[in-house]
Amino acid sequence: EAGVAQSPRYKIIEKRQSVAFWCNPISGHATLYWYQQILGQGPKLLIQFQNNGVVDDSQLPKDRFSAERLKGVDSTLKIQPAKLEDSAVYLCASSPRPYEQYFGPGTRLTVT
Amino acid sequence: QKEVEQDPGPLSVPEGAIVSLNCTYSNSAFQYFMWYRQYSRKGPELLMYTYSSGNKEDGRFTAQVDKSSKYISLFIRDSQPSDSATYLCAMRTSGSRLTFGEGTQLTVNP
Repeated sequence: EAGVAQSPRYKIIEKRQSVAFWCNPISGHATLYWYQQILGQGPKLLIQFQNNGVVDDSQLPKDRFSAERLKGVDSTLKIQPAKLEDSAVYLCASSPRPYEQYFGPGTRLTVT
Repeated sequence: QKEVEQDPGPLSVPEGAIVSLNCTYSNSAFQYFMWYRQYSRKGPELLMYTYSSGNKEDGRFTAQVDKSSKYISLFIRDSQPSDSATYLCAMRTSGSRLTFGEGTQLTVNP
């Protein structure tokens, strides 16, 4: 079974630029999550989708972050404009059940 | 105060040692407790899942939950160099998002 795919793996941008990350979840998993993991910290949920709908986006900085899930499958997370404090690993996860999340390898973002 | 506290380490042990990793939490509504392993430059991988209090064993790994003390543990027996990773505890209520600890960095030396 193929795992969660994410691209790009690494991205370096300057502050105030925009960036987008892509995620392809495990086939058949209805729930998709985007997490932000700052160096030395645990992952923090940004947004949770159930099929096409948003379940939880309470921790998403909506003034600069946006996310969508097309046709209940792939998802993109966008940051516009980026700030220095957005430097982190952005992890996508999908799950067939709430306690069983499968994570992708992440996208490491550096904002200079 | 953080909802979940985890000693970041680093923790260094010799091969074959028993490793004990711990987390404390403040939210008494947490019911589901998980341990994830994260290798460098990889995403977290679910190791153990426990509902409510008690013990759960899977091979060399044992997870313990003590809800009265708001304390969870992960024990690794006969530790191997391949166990070197960051271990993250995570927990949630019945309807909430996962709350992660900061992670403990473990190195098992051959």
